[in-house]
Amino acid sequence: GIQVEQSPPDLILQEGANSTLRCNFSDSVNNLQWFHQNPWGQLINLFYIPSGTKQNGRLSATTVATERYSLLYISSSQTTDSGVYFCAGEPSGTYKYIFGTGTRLKVLA
Amino acid sequence: DAGITQSPRHKVTETGTPVTLRCHQTENHRYMYWYRQDPGHGLRLIHYSYGVKDTDKGEVSDGYSVSRSKTEDFLLTLESATSSQTSVYFCATQGGGNEQFFGPGTRLTVL
Repeated sequence: GIQVEQSPPDLILQEGANSTLRCNFSDSVNNLQWFHQNPWGQLINLFYIPSGTKQNGRLSATTVATERYSLLYISSSQTTDSGVYFCAGEPSGTYKYIFGTGTRLKVLA
Repeated sequence: DAGITQSPRHKVTETGTPVTLRCHQTENHRYMYWYRQDPGHGLRLIHYSYGVKDTDKGEVSDGYSVSRSKTEDFLLTLESATSSQTSVYFCATQGGGNEQFFGPGTRLTVL
């Protein structure tokens, strides 16, 4: 089956720093999404981004579907950005989403 | 976000007992999903539903069954709970926009 690799697995930043998280898929997927799981366990939608670039405040994401990867950019990080970031995609037509194992981010004040 | 609730939010049970988790949504989304989350594994799909009474297996379906008798409700049943099913269970829905939304999760402990 399709493999999803996220990097880096762990990241520690000082408040105000920028970061780039990466998600690689071993094969083509549809409906790529990025989620943030906060320290209370809640999964929050960040981006639905099957292709192209989107921005939402300090966060932006880019998906290059032809090369099977997606990037999540966090600028001017804040302590509230801490948590785990997951990407997920759906192998075409299966409706069976596959998640990466996440990037655990800690932002220090 | 879709209005998704899960019940119970926390449950402790003993090995061998049956357990049913409920997911309820208010957005009339067609697709519903059950995932489990374990350390080191991210989220893994257990079962999903593509309509009332239409369900299919996911990656880790052994030991679980599901039912969907109404659009708004998707039930996950552990017929005979085992300690390996201790996990956090998330329900998700997907509407016409192809975006998934998650419920708050249920923490299940099997002793």
